[in-house]
Amino acid sequence: DAGVIQSPRHEVTEMGQEVTLRCKPISGHDYLFWYRQTMMRGLELLIYFNNNVPIDDSGMPEDRFSAKMPNASFSTLKIQPSEPRDSAVYFCASSAGRGAQETQYFGPGTRLLVL
Amino acid sequence: GQQVMQIPQYQHVQEGEDFTTYCNSSTTLSNIQWYKQRPGGHPVFLIQLVKSGEVKKQKRLTFQFGEAKKNSSLHITATQTTDVGTYFCAGVRKDSGAGSYQLTFGKGTKLSVIP
Repeated sequence: DAGVIQSPRHEVTEMGQEVTLRCKPISGHDYLFWYRQTMMRGLELLIYFNNNVPIDDSGMPEDRFSAKMPNASFSTLKIQPSEPRDSAVYFCASSAGRGAQETQYFGPGTRLLVL
Repeated sequence: GQQVMQIPQYQHVQEGEDFTTYCNSSTTLSNIQWYKQRPGGHPVFLIQLVKSGEVKKQKRLTFQFGEAKKNSSLHITATQTTDVGTYFCAGVRKDSGAGSYQLTFGKGTKLSVIP
């Protein structure tokens, strides 16, 4: 299995631009999580999906952030417009079965720098 | 909301010394997970503890779950340079209102091992 796949691995953009992060979960996993990691705030859960349906988006910072999961093998996290404070590593993770109670498999992350 | 506190934030040890990181939750947990993140890498699942007072071992790593299921610890005996990284605990709690499970990561303990 290829594991969780994320793209791009690195993204440098200017403030105000739209950023789209992509994730392909492990095949057969029906839970997908988006996290943001910074030195100051640690690892924060932004949103998670079960069977492509958003279950909890209370971690999404503000309206500039949106996430979609159009099918079981693809999800996007979009930031529009981006701001320098959005600079962070964004991880996607997937799990099977009981969601948060199960092992989460993380992707390699997307390192986002907003100038 | 649920708080998961982890201490210490940083730990520097001489190779061969022991290391312990502690995790405390403000609420009773359903279970707790531990992850390791190598520098520049992504979190990787180590273990899950479910039962009150549970103790599990993985070679030089010993994981404990408190009797009240509100705290946990990870102890590494005779550290090696390969143990370098950040160790995260993640508390899982059932949200009775939403009927779903919430997972909250601690901020992690960054371990440095001096050869």
